[in-house]
Amino acid sequence: NAGVTQTPKFQVLKTGQSMTLQCAQDMNHNSMYWYRQDPGMGLRLIYYSASEGTTDKGEVPNGYNVSRLNKREFSLRLESAAPSQTSVYFCASREIQFSGNTIYFGEGSWLTVV
Amino acid sequence: EDQVTQSPEALRLQEGESSSLNCSYTVSGLRGLFWYRQDPGKGPEFLFTLYSAGEEKEKERLKATLTKKESFLHITAPKPEDSATYLCAANLGSGGGADGLTFGKGTHLIIQP
Repeated sequence: NAGVTQTPKFQVLKTGQSMTLQCAQDMNHNSMYWYRQDPGMGLRLIYYSASEGTTDKGEVPNGYNVSRLNKREFSLRLESAAPSQTSVYFCASREIQFSGNTIYFGEGSWLTVV
Repeated sequence: EDQVTQSPEALRLQEGESSSLNCSYTVSGLRGLFWYRQDPGKGPEFLFTLYSAGEEKEKERLKATLTKKESFLHITAPKPEDSATYLCAANLGSGGGADGLTFGKGTHLIIQP
């Protein structure tokens, strides 16, 4: 996967704890995204950022907050983790060219809330 | 409601046995149809983007096509290394294309030697 880096790769949290998933891209893309992937549900959009300084809710934003720190970085925060937030989280960024768009994904962050 | 549906959910083929995966969509305005490959424990890997009915794109043993209501991913003479989950996604939003993709649930493809 070209240039989208996520940390941490794995994390176990207790219910009620908070944590931040970090994402950085080195491709100078304007748009960035956070998705979650659950068995039988497919990938669902949590939040997105069309450009530096802007963020918008996606399909499943409840329980999450995001920060677009600069053009490179887009973080996802769980303020009070719940077992329902156990999932695999993917960050992505979008390349826009004259010939079309490409969205690149990171390798994922596996989060378990107990 | 806009949605993306993939079929079949799972497909098992013999090496060399060609087949097609289907992605149907109901949209108010399609801004791009994407195909990805996902291996276990990995992030989705970009394959193709299609924009217009009649458009086709190829990469090695894969060819993606698009009509007004569905897209097909044709796999010709597959090899075991083509085994993966194939995801279809559509850019359905009105936010100038920046508002993310709506994904289908994927087709789990197994190619047996």
